[in-house]
Amino acid sequence: GAVVSQHPSRVICKSGTSVKIECRSLDFQATTMFWYRQFPKQSLMLMATSNEGSKATYEQGVEKDKFLINHASLTLSTLTVTSAHPEDSSFYICSAQRGAGQQPQHFGDGTRLSIL
Amino acid sequence: KNEVEQSPQNLTAQEGEFITINCSYSVGISALHWLQQHPGGGIVSLFMLSSGKKKHGRLIATINIQEKHSSLHITASHPRDSAVYICAPITDPQGGSEKLVFGKGTKLTVNP
Repeated sequence: GAVVSQHPSRVICKSGTSVKIECRSLDFQATTMFWYRQFPKQSLMLMATSNEGSKATYEQGVEKDKFLINHASLTLSTLTVTSAHPEDSSFYICSAQRGAGQQPQHFGDGTRLSIL
Repeated sequence: KNEVEQSPQNLTAQEGEFITINCSYSVGISALHWLQQHPGGGIVSLFMLSSGKKKHGRLIATINIQEKHSSLHITASHPRDSAVYICAPITDPQGGSEKLVFGKGTKLTVNP
């Protein structure tokens, strides 16, 4: 159990395009979902934490108007990169957590975003 | 100084060897994940532990909360174990949300 599906796995698009990434928990209800970004040869960095039905909490330095997060249901969170630019090219990965407190995070397979 | 230090950064082993990856952290934590990241980028959580030792197949993870240290061991390593292994403590904030902090990872290559 505890499968997280992330879609799409790869996106290549032109500068200025908005890109939506979906993260779904397939067999459990995710109270909390997390969005991470990973640049080449670097550690994963948390971008934001989202709880179902409430606004996401963004980490310092992450622009909330550029990275729109919606967690409308207990099985789906979306990250929209608005007006993407080449510097937004990165690997984005989500995780989902069932309940709160000492619950493991279950990760999606990630989305490789390339902005031309 | 990074909050999470992993060693070694790179590790090459022959099939069948016993592998140890170490992780030291400076933050207060409630628990710690060991993650496996494959070349395509996908991440699997191998363990989440808050004390003692856990075993799953050929993998063993230990943690010493007082010493702020954790280790991941792989017995009888196999080429399919080749991946990046990431130590990710779960911070223990005062009134905030728990979140993971990540080590830079250990790239393991197991040769046949």
